[in-house]
Amino acid sequence: DQQVKQNSPSLSVQEGRISILNCDYTNSMFDYFLWYKKYPAEGPTFLISISSIKDKNEDGRFTVFLNKSAKHLSLHIVPSQPGDSAVYFCAASLDTGRRALTFGSGTRLQVQP
Amino acid sequence: EPEVTQTPSHQVTQMGQEVILRCVPISNHLYFYWYRQILGQKVEFLVSFYNNEISEKSEIFDDQFSVERPDGSNFTLKIRSTKLEDSAMYFCVGGTGGSYEQYFGPGTRLTVT
Repeated sequence: DQQVKQNSPSLSVQEGRISILNCDYTNSMFDYFLWYKKYPAEGPTFLISISSIKDKNEDGRFTVFLNKSAKHLSLHIVPSQPGDSAVYFCAASLDTGRRALTFGSGTRLQVQP
Repeated sequence: EPEVTQTPSHQVTQMGQEVILRCVPISNHLYFYWYRQILGQKVEFLVSFYNNEISEKSEIFDDQFSVERPDGSNFTLKIRSTKLEDSAMYFCVGGTGGSYEQYFGPGTRLTVT
């Protein structure tokens, strides 16, 4: 049961460049998507979200893009900073009023100074 | 900024023992959840709690698990008879209900020996 997939376990980028993290989902009933960032020994921290009625949401250096037809979303970080080095999780929620989040397996981002 | 707090940060218990994991959610949150992450695996939903009752639970949340919010502030997860496979990081999570965003506590690492 892999309804939310993050196919890249790791990504390395240079400081100042763009980081692009990808996420695919299979359940067309998902209607809200979230990105979380996790440092070691801490809980996931909410980063940014997007409703299925939008195709883009921007918050500072972070932008999430949603392509519903492809069931694909991506998180762009521009410019990347060393402090962005963490594991990034994509999560999705159904439109039934249920609130349980389904998580991807995460992508470890390393930003090289 | 208010945060979800969890105690203890690390709990070691023997197989078959009961454990209670405790959480103090953010005061204006109305929805409460427990998630867990087994080492190297995805974050998994266990249970959601709203208006003093379980609103949703996963197949992981069997009869060995229970939750309660006895005094309107603390939120607890009890595992009656722990198994080795219960070893994981357990996250207490809250949300306002007005949005889909959920806010994670720092987690309790449960080690069952």
